[in-house]
Amino acid sequence: EDKVVQSPLSLVVHEGDTVTLNCSYEVTNFRSLLWYKQEKKAPTFLFMLTSSGIEKKSGRLSSILDKKELFSILNITATQTGDSAVYLCAVEAPSGGGADGLTFGKGTHLIIQP
Amino acid sequence: DAGITQSPRHKVTETGTPVTLRCHQTENHRYMYWYRQDPGHGLRLIHYSYGVKDTDKGEVSDGYSVSRSKTEDFLLTLESATSSQTSVYFCATRGADPGEQYFGPGTRLTVT
Repeated sequence: EDKVVQSPLSLVVHEGDTVTLNCSYEVTNFRSLLWYKQEKKAPTFLFMLTSSGIEKKSGRLSSILDKKELFSILNITATQTGDSAVYLCAVEAPSGGGADGLTFGKGTHLIIQP
Repeated sequence: DAGITQSPRHKVTETGTPVTLRCHQTENHRYMYWYRQDPGHGLRLIHYSYGVKDTDKGEVSDGYSVSRSKTEDFLLTLESATSSQTSVYFCATRGADPGEQYFGPGTRLTVT
């Protein structure tokens, strides 16, 4: 059974801090790892990672994948209150026809205090 | 925004009644998915579709059925709703190339 584990489950920091969110996985037939941000509505896409060691970056957010150790991290620098959200990690690991859905972790609930 | 709408957005129903949720997309995406999201469980896959009339079960498919008669519509049916099916239901789509899934706005279903 495919498994995705995120840590920590919740995190409270002050504005301006840097945070690192963790995601480890155990799946067969790994294809990609995705990060989403969810703010009381639908998840919105952040990054998709398929290759080890290549950092994806978007503004203050960055992410990297380690396929040998089976984990990914999401970094957010100079946090702002608008970064408060649940961050979801998901893995795509199709078993047959290639259309299987994503396996999600339970998410990290990040709260940025002013 | 991948042009995904869900209806209804909110629904309250009684145990034992049938319920159908609709997902409509305008992107001509081949793949469509239904997830449910519950506290402590995160998002879990119910059913998915890889083309018109082609569907398969996900992790938590018991008590649910789906149909896809057109590319743009994917229906999720609860034949006889139970309180354990109270949840937020998200539809998602993906194009032919492997990549990110785009999520609809969600339907909050309460079974009393």
